[in-house]
Amino acid sequence: QKEVEQDPGPLSVPEGAIVSLNCTYSNSAFQYFMWYRQYSRKGPELLMYTYSSGNKEDGRFTAQVDKSSKYISLFIRDSQPSDSATYLCAMSAGGYQKVTFGIGTKLQVIP
Amino acid sequence: SAVISQKPSRDICQRGTSLTIQCQVDSQVTMMFWYRQQPGQSLTLIATANQGSEATYESGFVIDKFPISRPNLTFSTLTVSNMSPEDSSIYLCSVEVPGAMNTEAFFGQGTRLTVV
Repeated sequence: QKEVEQDPGPLSVPEGAIVSLNCTYSNSAFQYFMWYRQYSRKGPELLMYTYSSGNKEDGRFTAQVDKSSKYISLFIRDSQPSDSATYLCAMSAGGYQKVTFGIGTKLQVIP
Repeated sequence: SAVISQKPSRDICQRGTSLTIQCQVDSQVTMMFWYRQQPGQSLTLIATANQGSEATYESGFVIDKFPISRPNLTFSTLTVSNMSPEDSSIYLCSVEVPGAMNTEAFFGQGTRLTVV
């Protein structure tokens, strides 16, 4: 079993839809949870991160962490074609601990 | 934040040859990381490079295949040696800088390597 599981998609949605991206994990030591966005032919860029359980909102993006279920989500409201990218979840135990990445979900928002 | 310049952005190489990838950061950082991103697979850490010491390699990666240099706090290179088609991948360098709650990782744009 992989430490981090993420559906690779692809996921196609119409413009304006609410997108839900998810990851599950098995390592209970993970404390920091991150979402990266990677456009084609570019490196990943940090989108959001949260610590422990709870929600965090930033504009159209909301990150949720449920440590009891070992499940994290990223919601994108009012999705735009410019949101089309691969979204990678990542997590670590904190500090300089190794970051473990999901495989990435490819999202396409259709105008 | 940190701005990372990585080059080359892409290359097509003959099997048996070597390619050196360069990574330049706009600020001094303690640790630099090299990742591999293969199609259909998650980002995999190759090694961690500290300035002035030997790089630390992850399981499955060895120095003879992926020698790393870290001559100063803003620069590192990764060499992919004696390449085979299985080495075709995207290679990314990364740095971590202190954030509000945790260290935050920043990535270069990647080097897309094709071995023929």
